[in-house]
Amino acid sequence: KNEVEQSPQNLTAQEGEFITINCSYSVGISALHWLQQHPGGGIVSLFMLSSGKKKHGRLIATINIQEKHSSLHITASHPRDSAVYICFFGNEKLTFGTGTRLTIIP
Amino acid sequence: NAGVTQTPKFRILKIGQSMTLQCTQDMNHNYMYWYRQDPGMGLKLIYYSVGAGITDKGEVPNGYNVSRSTTEDFPLRLELAAPSQTSVYFCASSYLGQGVYNEQFFGPGTRLTVL
Repeated sequence: KNEVEQSPQNLTAQEGEFITINCSYSVGISALHWLQQHPGGGIVSLFMLSSGKKKHGRLIATINIQEKHSSLHITASHPRDSAVYICFFGNEKLTFGTGTRLTIIP
Repeated sequence: NAGVTQTPKFRILKIGQSMTLQCTQDMNHNYMYWYRQDPGMGLKLIYYSVGAGITDKGEVPNGYNVSRSTTEDFPLRLELAAPSQTSVYFCASSYLGQGVYNEQFFGPGTRLTVL
């Protein structure tokens, strides 16, 4: 079983919809990260979470350490949000999810 | 600050050739990383460094070598290139404090094709 699972793998939505991307993991961690990879390939760090919730613009990330689950939400989605979203954490090693490919249709 | 810079952006190699991918960061980060990303796949850690003079293997180190002689630079060396090394290579850096992996800053990537 993979240590980290993301769902869904692919998500297509209409502009304006509320988006949720999930990340579940099976080991104890101290912090989880979310990355955004643009269609051109560039990678940007979005959040680092140890507990609770963080918000940046239209993006909200939550984590429940006890349930080993994190979610990334996008409110009022826009075509420029189309990207691959990746969660990862670092314990003895860095462990990456395989990503969720999000496509927002105008 | 330029952040994390990588050169070259693109490169085509023939089987058996060697090359060095350059990575430089100007944020005084102690941690630096090299990843590869195969088409349609996730990031895989090749090597990382916790500071000048210290490097360690990641998940997929075979066929690669690294060195870290300064805080700023972390070059990745490919010896005897093989088609399986066709990939996009990303360098990243972060500051590790109190045992927590902090935000990673990524370079723009190097797209390598081995024919």
